[in-house]
Amino acid sequence: DTGVSQDPRHKITKRGQNVTFRCDPISEHNRLYWYRQTLGQGPEFLTYFQNEAQLEKSRLLSDRFSAERPKGSFSTLEIQRTEQGDSAMYLCASSLAAGRETQYFGPGTRLLVL
Amino acid sequence: DAKTTQPPSMDCAEGRAANLPCNHSTISGNEYVYWYRQIHSQGPQYIIHGLKNNETNEMASLIITEDRKSSTLILPHATLRDTAVYYCIVLNSGGSNYKLTFGKGTLLTVNP
Repeated sequence: DTGVSQDPRHKITKRGQNVTFRCDPISEHNRLYWYRQTLGQGPEFLTYFQNEAQLEKSRLLSDRFSAERPKGSFSTLEIQRTEQGDSAMYLCASSLAAGRETQYFGPGTRLLVL
Repeated sequence: DAKTTQPPSMDCAEGRAANLPCNHSTISGNEYVYWYRQIHSQGPQYIIHGLKNNETNEMASLIITEDRKSSTLILPHATLRDTAVYYCIVLNSGGSNYKLTFGKGTLLTVNP
């Protein structure tokens, strides 16, 4: 257990529905990252927060995706109008801002869109 | 970030040392080498990282060549629980470059 938690661990939804995932980082970490991993591939970067500010979004993050970190603590990732191609493992990681950048990952949320 | 090259798969006998190679010939002077592993259906787990010197922790040792163009992760006494995909990543730590770029990694299978 790295101290990063994600909820839910698994989600099955029908195409067109909205889903929201939550990530709770290690308490003193002010950087938070979201990655997506499809079968047989390594994780791919989606977006990144420093405190409450979202500093970068990948081109993978279409307009249907939105992420927030309102108080600089936990973060949510919402997918609107889900598509079958959104089926993947969504991973959250956190790190300290300054000096060492080691990112510690949570267990992930596995999404299946039917 | 520099690109890394790893073999797609390796086998190791339980109790023996597992040596996982990684080539990163385009690494620059301020880039660190990080190793993560991912056991099936779990999130990636940080193992170790280094810049120039060899590093050791409770999980593994990292040997970086003098020219920094390649490195080897060593698991000294592999167990069945070490079966996982191992990722070698080069990262410009401390600067504005913070994204971990994962390749396909090496699937290490530890056999009884």
